[in-house]
Amino acid sequence: DAGVIQSPRHEVTEMGQEVTLRCKPISGHNSLFWYRQTMMRGLELLIYFNNNVPIDDSGMPEDRFSAKMPNASFSTLKIQPSEPRDSAVYFCASSHTGMHTEAFFGQGTRLTVV
Amino acid sequence: DQQVKQNSPSLSVQEGRISILNCDYTNSMFDYFLWYKKYPAEGPTFLISISSIKDKNEDGRFTVFLNKSAKHLSLHIVPSQPGDSAVYFCAAQAGNKLTFGGGTRVLVKP
Repeated sequence: DAGVIQSPRHEVTEMGQEVTLRCKPISGHNSLFWYRQTMMRGLELLIYFNNNVPIDDSGMPEDRFSAKMPNASFSTLKIQPSEPRDSAVYFCASSHTGMHTEAFFGQGTRLTVV
Repeated sequence: DQQVKQNSPSLSVQEGRISILNCDYTNSMFDYFLWYKKYPAEGPTFLISISSIKDKNEDGRFTVFLNKSAKHLSLHIVPSQPGDSAVYFCAAQAGNKLTFGGGTRVLVKP
């Protein structure tokens, strides 16, 4: 298995533009997580899905952030409009649903908003 | 409100010696704890875990200790190797949700 695949690896955009980050989870995993890593706040959980359904989005910072999972093999995280403070590394992770299972992470998307 | 804290942002250790990483948590609902290792420009990778019903789990050079009464866990790496230089995150799980600490950067000097 290729693991969790995220695209793009790097994104540089201007303030105010829409940004879409993409994630393909590991086949057979039915939980998907979006994390954001910053120097100040470390790894923060933004949202997670079970069986394509958003379960907990309490970590989504603002209405400018939205996430979708239209099917078991694809998820997007969208920021519209983007702001410089959104600059961070965004990780997607997937796991089997259930307790006591580790999540497998993608390589991340480094977002820079100028 | 940080429910999982790693109070040491960095640690430097000589090759061959023991590395001890610490992690504290506040939420009594956490029942599973994990350590992840992260190299630059890569995602975190799972290292070792422990259930709340245990107080120790060992896997090769890595041992995790859990003190539930103190809400404290630690990761011991012995002997430390240069390839262990990375950022280590502890994570705590309640249900299917993982909460991470801020990470500890470990540098193993040859």
